Amino acid sequence: AQRVTQPEKLLSVFKGAPVELKCNYSYSGSPELFWYVQYSRQRLQLLLRHISRESIKGFTADLNKGETSFHLKKPFAQEEDSAMYYCALNLAQGGSEKLVFGKGTKLTVNP
Amino acid sequence: DTGVSQDPRHKITKRGQNVTFRCDPISEHNRLYWYRQTLGQGPEFLTYFQNEAQLEKSRLLSDRFSAERPKGSFSTLEIQRTEQGDSAMYLCASSLDRGQGNEKLFFGSGTQLSVL
Repeated sequence: AQRVTQPEKLLSVFKGAPVELKCNYSYSGSPELFWYVQYSRQRLQLLLRHISRESIKGFTADLNKGETSFHLKKPFAQEEDSAMYYCALNLAQGGSEKLVFGKGTKLTVNP
Repeated sequence: DTGVSQDPRHKITKRGQNVTFRCDPISEHNRLYWYRQTLGQGPEFLTYFQNEAQLEKSRLLSDRFSAERPKGSFSTLEIQRTEQGDSAMYLCASSLDRGQGNEKLFFGSGTQLSVL
């Protein structure tokens, strides 16, 4: 079955500490993975996608096919990083975005 | 605001009533998606349109649900004979498909449905 697992419902760190939000997936094909973020009272928005291999707001995520993981990392967390983070897997072929989302991890960065 | 617009923001209805939601995508976007999100869960895919054509529907979309995008611009999602299990946030998203993949989804603020 195709699914995305985010094992941590809540994650709390102090400002300046490293943070890692875990994501594991189950998919028989070649995975296309994303991280979405939702800040308080804002819309869900794309943070980054694995094929772009980019760093957004200091966050990076590396696809590990052996471990079927796509963990999100930031070396020094900031208070403004506090948000809900969703890992998502694209099931669609042909370029559309039929996404399966994990249940999300609520990150709180304390001062 | 030139982003994805959804109306209404909140809808409270009684079980058995019909409801209709509207989504206005970003104007040049040719793809439009509907997702549903319940408390404590991530969004779940319902359906998507390429211009006016509805190309895929999730098995989550029962016969009571119907979505349209008549002119390839705005879309409506109708739920007939609502049930308490339909209570959720209904999210619309749009994107521009240039035939190269890597499209970026832009989400609306959602319509929160409560069925009493």
